[in-house]
Amino acid sequence: DQQVKQNSPSLSVQEGRISILNCDYTNSMFDYFLWYKKYPAEGPTFLISISSIKDKNEDGRFTVFLNKSAKHLSLHIVPSQPGDSAVYFCATRSGGGADGLTFGKGTHLIIQP
Amino acid sequence: NAGVTQTPKFRVLKTGQSMTLLCAQDMNHEYMYWYRQDPGMGLRLIHYSVGEGTTAKGEVPDGYNVSRLKKQNFLLGLESAAPSQTSVYFCASRDPDGFSGNTIYFGEGSWLTVV
Repeated sequence: DQQVKQNSPSLSVQEGRISILNCDYTNSMFDYFLWYKKYPAEGPTFLISISSIKDKNEDGRFTVFLNKSAKHLSLHIVPSQPGDSAVYFCATRSGGGADGLTFGKGTHLIIQP
Repeated sequence: NAGVTQTPKFRVLKTGQSMTLLCAQDMNHEYMYWYRQDPGMGLRLIHYSVGEGTTAKGEVPDGYNVSRLKKQNFLLGLESAAPSQTSVYFCASRDPDGFSGNTIYFGEGSWLTVV
């Protein structure tokens, strides 16, 4: 049973427009959420995160919104650029002895020129 | 600035063969992790370690063994490879203090094909 869900396998957005990537989670005890970006043949790289005590975190073109009542978070990228084309993973701290990460399946974002 | 290094990067195995993936980190991190990523799937945790000499099972540990004999190295072993273990494997490491995305470092991945 998936604890972190990204229901859109892919998303196509025109360059300069806003990209919105969505993520839902099932466990209300999750307290920290992260977004990773992954290019082909590379490891995931950290993009932005948010603690459950906040509802918004912004870093340049990237903003993450958290709606705890809906167990939903979203990543906004504005304006979208060609270099943003990648797979984006939503992840949460999964607790346990070493706080590993639980990932969603990812959304492939394609920025169209 | 090496960070997290995985070897080998690519390998083709026959069913039943054994092999070991090596993860090395030069940041003196206590915690290390092995993940696998399959098409259409996120990364799933195989095993992890909270320090030298300790290992623990993650979400998908079956068919794998791990060892952490030295703090900087975390080995992932396949004793008898199966086609279902065809995947991309990622190693990660971090310090136990101050959990944040910025403190988790991933390697570049190891592509394993079992035929």
